[in-house]
Amino acid sequence: GQNIDQPTEMTATEGAIVQINCTYQTSGFNGLFWYQQHAGEAPTFLSYNVLDGLEEKGRFSSFLSRSKGYSYLLLKELQMKDSASYLCAVTDSNYQLIWGAGTKLIIKP
Amino acid sequence: IAGITQAPTSQILAAGRRMTLRCTQDMRHNAMYWYRQDLGLGLRLIHYSNTAGTTGKGEVPDGYSVSRANTDDFPLTLASAVPSQTSVYFCASSRALGVNEQFFGPGTRLTVL
Repeated sequence: GQNIDQPTEMTATEGAIVQINCTYQTSGFNGLFWYQQHAGEAPTFLSYNVLDGLEEKGRFSSFLSRSKGYSYLLLKELQMKDSASYLCAVTDSNYQLIWGAGTKLIIKP
Repeated sequence: IAGITQAPTSQILAAGRRMTLRCTQDMRHNAMYWYRQDLGLGLRLIHYSNTAGTTGKGEVPDGYSVSRANTDDFPLTLASAVPSQTSVYFCASSRALGVNEQFFGPGTRLTVL
């Protein structure tokens, strides 16, 4: 079966760095997405990785290792507004997105 | 409008009733999707459309139907609602299927009693 695993919840301190991991087992691979979802709102796109390596975009970076079925999202200089759920999703061989259950990130002052 | 809209915002429905959730996008995206999101389960794909006139089944299609008569609209119909269909429903669109950023509507919160 297809499976995306990510931690259910993480806590971090304002101004610090946090890494959210995602491991996947899917039938085929055509890219990995990270989305941010604030409580009661719709998901919004953060990043897309299709090749191995690190993609940096401001305070957020995303890393992919296809051979290990592994990705992480790195958030630097955490702000209170970063409190949200972070969703990992993989595009499979049928070009359908398989979604993880999301990681709820709690930022403390 | 700019982006993707959904209606209604929320709805309480008696079991056995028919209900259509509406979704409209103005970005001329080819692909559209319907998801449901339940606590602890993440987003699950119900149906999708690669382009106007074509639709496909996702992970949890039973009890739902869709149509794609034109590029902009992608309604989701529950023919006879059941309590297990209580969920938050998101419509999304992207330029192409699966490899482009998906833009999400604000969601419809549906309660079936």
